[in-house]
Amino acid sequence: DIQMTQSPSFLSASVGERVTLSCRASQNINKYLDWYQQKLGEAPKLLIYNTNNLHTGIPSRFSGSGSGTDYTLTISSLQPEDVATYFCLQRNSWRMDTFGAGTKLELK
Amino acid sequence: EVQLVESGGGLVQPGRSLKLSCAASGFTFSNYYMAWVRQAPKKGLEWVATISTSGSRTYYPDSVKGRFTISRDNAKSSLYLQMNSLKSEDTATYYCASRGNSGYGYWGQGVMVTVSS
Repeated sequence: DIQMTQSPSFLSASVGERVTLSCRASQNINKYLDWYQQKLGEAPKLLIYNTNNLHTGIPSRFSGSGSGTDYTLTISSLQPEDVATYFCLQRNSWRMDTFGAGTKLELK
Repeated sequence: EVQLVESGGGLVQPGRSLKLSCAASGFTFSNYYMAWVRQAPKKGLEWVATISTSGSRTYYPDSVKGRFTISRDNAKSSLYLQMNSLKSEDTATYYCASRGNSGYGYWGQGVMVTVSS
């Protein structure tokens, strides 16, 4: 089974700061990597799919990159409404999807 | 407007069964693989099951395999999760979601399942 390791688990940053979140797979996942945002008390929301494709309606300050086993979500200029927990998800196979443990992002 | 509305949650004793439903609207349900994802209180997300567009193929993690069954009725635009032999560790909010080549694009609001005596 593919394991997903997200880092850091917790991040505190200031408004306007550039923020980078990481996700590492235990094996090559061929860029089948998504990022989801979950605000407190809400369902998760898709931000980026297949490593670097912005989902409909998602602000352009969010971007994704990576390949092989290492992937990154970047927020170019942190906004107050970005406070949330961010999860990565690998979908390399229809047989097994795996979420990372999440990164909780708060304002400094 | 796309909507996924889960129902059927509640309090159930260990070892008993429960069936969740998810009513879909606003998109062509039959064109999408669908999935269930759960989240234990104050924990992360866990994939629970996936079903193909026709319902002929289903996938589960080891944690629920043999106990949970995902199914769908395309005529009713509905997704189901039959949960048997429930354990305390199955306590979670259960979300239904569309699972496509572009990720889990649509999510329901979730339904709570509590397994406790």
